[in-house]
Amino acid sequence: KAGVTQTPRYLIKTRGQQVTLSCSPISGHRSVSWYQQTPGQGLQFLFEYFSETQRNKGNFPGRFSGRQFSNSRSEMNVSTLELGDSALYLCASSLLTGANVLTFGAGSRLTVL
Amino acid sequence: GIQVEQSPPDLILQEGANSTLRCNFSDSVNNLQWFHQNPWGQLINLFYIPSGTKQNGRLSATTVATERYSLLYISSSQTTDSGVYFCAVGSNYQLIWGAGTKLIIKP
Repeated sequence: KAGVTQTPRYLIKTRGQQVTLSCSPISGHRSVSWYQQTPGQGLQFLFEYFSETQRNKGNFPGRFSGRQFSNSRSEMNVSTLELGDSALYLCASSLLTGANVLTFGAGSRLTVL
Repeated sequence: GIQVEQSPPDLILQEGANSTLRCNFSDSVNNLQWFHQNPWGQLINLFYIPSGTKQNGRLSATTVATERYSLLYISSSQTTDSGVYFCAVGSNYQLIWGAGTKLIIKP
């Protein structure tokens, strides 16, 4: 059974650009959650999608957005990148919505120059 | 909101030693999970344990929900146990994460 797959694993962008990250959940999992991890703030919840609907959202500005497709794959987008957006972005999948048992992907490490 | 405190923040042990990591939380929760993040950033779910005791090999965990704390026990440590251990708790839709315990196991 394949795990959670995140792409790309590493990327470098400049301020003002936008970025799209992809997450493919474990087969059969319908919930995808996104987290941002930084040395200063630790792990913070971005949002959760379940059955193509955003169910929950953390306290991040509108520049951070996401969506989920009918096959449960999810993408998150960050527009107008700022230096502070440099982080490890982690995706987790679970069977059920809410803070269910989470299985994480390897993460996408974004560096903003 | 819920506050999560983990202790100790750092722990350095020799291979073969045992350790206990603690997670205190400030409010009632119906979800508590322990994770291990390896040096490459991969988060591995160790336990889903909102209450009670569970064991998986050399690792075990106990959550006393009424007293708002959880303990993670690691016995006979191996160098591959190195990394950061996170406790995450939740009561609704999201997990609130502790700052983690950084564990270094020396050969």
